[in-house]
Amino acid sequence: NAGVTQTPKFQVLKTGQSMTLQCAQDMNHEYMSWYRQDPGMGLRLIHYSVGAGITDQGEVPNGYNVSRSTTEDFPLRLLSAAPSQTSVYFCASRKSRDTPLHYGYTFGSGTRLTVV
Amino acid sequence: DAKTTQPTSMDCAEGRAANLPCNHSTISGNEYVYWYRQIHSQGPQYIIHGLKNNETNEMASLIITEDRKSSTLILPHATLRDTAVYYCIVRVNSGGSNYKLTFGKGTLLTVNP
Repeated sequence: NAGVTQTPKFQVLKTGQSMTLQCAQDMNHEYMSWYRQDPGMGLRLIHYSVGAGITDQGEVPNGYNVSRSTTEDFPLRLLSAAPSQTSVYFCASRKSRDTPLHYGYTFGSGTRLTVV
Repeated sequence: DAKTTQPTSMDCAEGRAANLPCNHSTISGNEYVYWYRQIHSQGPQYIIHGLKNNETNEMASLIITEDRKSSTLILPHATLRDTAVYYCIVRVNSGGSNYKLTFGKGTLLTVNP
C-alpha cells in the first residue's frame, strides 16, 4: 500500500514546454485533487475529481488540464508552461467527496516545478 | 465557508506549550474547526477537529470558546519536530462543498531549542 505517489519529484521546464505531473493512488479513493503551493500563499486548489470520468475546476485552474480515466490515476497537464507556474504541486486523495474531513486527506510528497 | 484569521508566525521554546490561536467569527452552527499542519516540503497532516466541546488526542488539544468565534490549538510539550505551518480551517464535517478544501496561509510555528 503505497498511498499517493507523485512523479517526478523535481522538474525544470522552459517557458512554452508541456509536461504531465503524475499522481497515482492505490487506496481505491474516489476523490482526488491537485494543489499548488507558493511561498506565503498556502495551498490553492487547482482541479479535483469526485470519481473516474468526472473532473471540475478549483480556484486556480487556468493553464492546467486534468483527466480521470481510471480511479487510480489523476494526471495534471501543463500545456504551455509559464514562469508563473513555478510552484510545488501536491496531489491529494480521500475515500469520497462525502468522507468526513476528520478522516483527512492523503497527500503525495509533492513535485517541485521550476519554469525558466 | 467561514473565514479564519491566524497570526503569520509564532515562536515557542522546546518543551513548553505552544498555543496557536484562530479567529472564526462568522462560523456557522454546523461548521467544525479543523487543524492541519504542514512540515516543510511535506503534504498537510490532520491534527484534530471539534464542533463545540474541547477535544484532546495524542497530538494536541483544541479549545473552542463558548461563542465558537475563536479557538486555540495547544501542543502541550512542543518539540523541534513540531516546527511547521499550522492551518485552521472551518468547514462542515461532510457533504456540502467541503471536498473543495483550501488551505489558507496558516501560522508558521518555530520551536526553538
